[in-house]
Amino acid sequence: DAKTTQPPSMDCAEGRAANLPCNHSTISGNEYVYWYRQIHSQGPQYIIHGLKNNETNEMASLIITEDRKSSTLILPHATLRDTAVYYCIVRVAGTGGFKTIFGAGTRLFVKA
Amino acid sequence: DVKVTQSSRYLVKRTGEKVFLECVQDMDHENMFWYRQDPGLGLRLIYFSYDVKMKEKGDIPEGYSVSREKKERFSLILESASTNQTSMYLCASSLEPTVTGQPQHFGDGTRLSIL
Repeated sequence: DAKTTQPPSMDCAEGRAANLPCNHSTISGNEYVYWYRQIHSQGPQYIIHGLKNNETNEMASLIITEDRKSSTLILPHATLRDTAVYYCIVRVAGTGGFKTIFGAGTRLFVKA
Repeated sequence: DVKVTQSSRYLVKRTGEKVFLECVQDMDHENMFWYRQDPGLGLRLIYFSYDVKMKEKGDIPEGYSVSREKKERFSLILESASTNQTSMYLCASSLEPTVTGQPQHFGDGTRLSIL
């Protein structure tokens, strides 16, 4: 699985968009980009994933560059409850016994 | 919404006890997983199962076993609990990953303390 690089921490004002970057320069053509977050003392929460195209759901948008070497998770209107550690993961789908490998992630602080 | 339910949020057991952690998912997922999460070590895969009665070892299976008698339920067993098994245990499930790249969905975790 490709390695990812994320900034260790970021701040965001409540109500503003939070843009969390992720570099995955060694990504392969069949590897997906996944985003999870983990709020203290809870299990990781799946947010969104994509392969090539930009994706949007009720929680966030995922923007993947054309060369697929980086991506950005966008929380359009951050709230205090979005304060969490956000993990970007790159993984091949369809392989047996696949596991989710979490790196250090980005600790997002949403401030009032 | 996918729901992965772990039977206990907090559990305290004694050294040498046999400990059972239960996990149930309600989305008819084929795959189920047990991880442990420790500070500085991230998530480590203990065991996974891709079908009823099937199991495969992950990265750190020693001291653990699993049981999957029904599709929706995956149990983690600590045969003889030791203090180094004090950790946060996370269960996850997913559909069979094909071209759509199905994600894993996690439960809220069981924080297990072995005294």
